[in-house]
Amino acid sequence: EAQVTQNPRYLITVTGKKLTVTCSQNMNHEYMSWYRQDPGLGLRQIYYSMNVEVTDKGDVPEGYKVSRKEKRNFPLILESPSPNQTSLYFCASSLWGLAGVNEQFFGPGTRLTVL
Amino acid sequence: QKEVEQNSGPLSVPEGAIASLNCTYSDRVSQSFFWYRQYSGKSPELIMSIYSNGDKEDGRFTAQLNKASQYVSLLIRDSQPSDSATYLCAVKPGVSNFGNEKLTFGTGTRLTIIP
Repeated sequence: EAQVTQNPRYLITVTGKKLTVTCSQNMNHEYMSWYRQDPGLGLRQIYYSMNVEVTDKGDVPEGYKVSRKEKRNFPLILESPSPNQTSLYFCASSLWGLAGVNEQFFGPGTRLTVL
Repeated sequence: QKEVEQNSGPLSVPEGAIASLNCTYSDRVSQSFFWYRQYSGKSPELIMSIYSNGDKEDGRFTAQLNKASQYVSLLIRDSQPSDSATYLCAVKPGVSNFGNEKLTFGTGTRLTIIP
């Protein structure tokens, strides 16, 4: 089954404790992306990657890191989480062609609470 | 001005009527436009994509793009209670080229279909 998986689905942590949210896709997609979703602010792109070892900032990259060492995986790293990073996080993937990014397939989401 | 704007709603439409959702964007050279549907507590899923001026129909859904006026709309004919969800407009600003693949979402319009 074609899918994007995220782990963990729920996480409660404390300020300053490094964490990683994993994302994996089995569709051989070039493009992968991380979003956060907050009430009233909608989906905002954090980082995206157009292929292995190619990443770029989205609209809200501060406080986040990513890496793309394998095509299927795109982990999101919070080196020192703060309460303002409490949010619902989505990973997404898509094919990337001449017209650019295509339909994105979203993971189930990770609800993060930073105390 | 926000890059992508949507009326947050809620928009209430009687069952069987036409629901009209609108989205405006600020980047004149935007090339790719997407409508996603998000049920409460779920991930976004693609409804329609549109790249050229005019209408694009898929079943009960019609996407309309007017680049001169910088708006894209989604019409849902014969609305069903199962169409009740938040609809997200997404725009890929700029011309597709390596290193410019950000995707910007509007805050979404909450649609309620009244039986």
